[in-house]
Amino acid sequence: GAGVSQSPSNKVTEKGKDVELRCDPISGHTALYWYRQSLGQGLEFLIYFQGNSAPDKSGLPSDRFSAERTGGSVSTLTIQRTQQEDSAVYLCASSPSGGGVPFSGANVLTFGAGSRLTVL
Amino acid sequence: GDSVTQMEGPVTLSEEAFLTINCTYTATGYPSLFWYVQYPGEGLQLLLKATKADDKGSNKGFEATYRKETTSFHLEKGSVQVSDSAVYFCALQGIWGNEKLTFGTGTRLTIIP
Repeated sequence: GAGVSQSPSNKVTEKGKDVELRCDPISGHTALYWYRQSLGQGLEFLIYFQGNSAPDKSGLPSDRFSAERTGGSVSTLTIQRTQQEDSAVYLCASSPSGGGVPFSGANVLTFGAGSRLTVL
Repeated sequence: GDSVTQMEGPVTLSEEAFLTINCTYTATGYPSLFWYVQYPGEGLQLLLKATKADDKGSNKGFEATYRKETTSFHLEKGSVQVSDSAVYFCALQGIWGNEKLTFGTGTRLTIIP
């Protein structure tokens, strides 16, 4: 697609429920990233997929959070047993292939509009 | 680890004022540096970037120069407009060019007519 598409744009759920957030990256982009933006906070890295490599999960805040990327394209971020502190905007970004060579230039991340999650 | 320290906001300026938003970083080697902007109700957009020391990124009247000696990438604009009201994020990416971005906390800018 022309841009990074995220769904749902808004999700309200009750504490303890599971939620799934979807990201459809730009066609041909091999790297996909999830970030979280909490009210008054900066952007917190969650997880990063690059091609067929093992994902970088170092930013996931707890084992209630997981993400998959199927077929190297669409990704789903799953939050189990949601808590009120999970309320935030979840942002997905993608970037083209390349990199891997020092000083070869930056891969620019293109962000989606985000999924706003509210846990009551 | 890598980190970005950004000028705390909010910042309120009158139209046509000069803008500086400070950004400094800590990183291994020489990262690429970015400014992203988030306009009200919209997603994050790349504003400008610089990939090596002394590079100047520029876009929409905004500029930032990659200063290795001071590990800084301050954002400047000579004459701001009401339409520049947004949240601005400074970010860095490692030397391999295919890594995650590390962001600052963001600076909310409001321009009053």
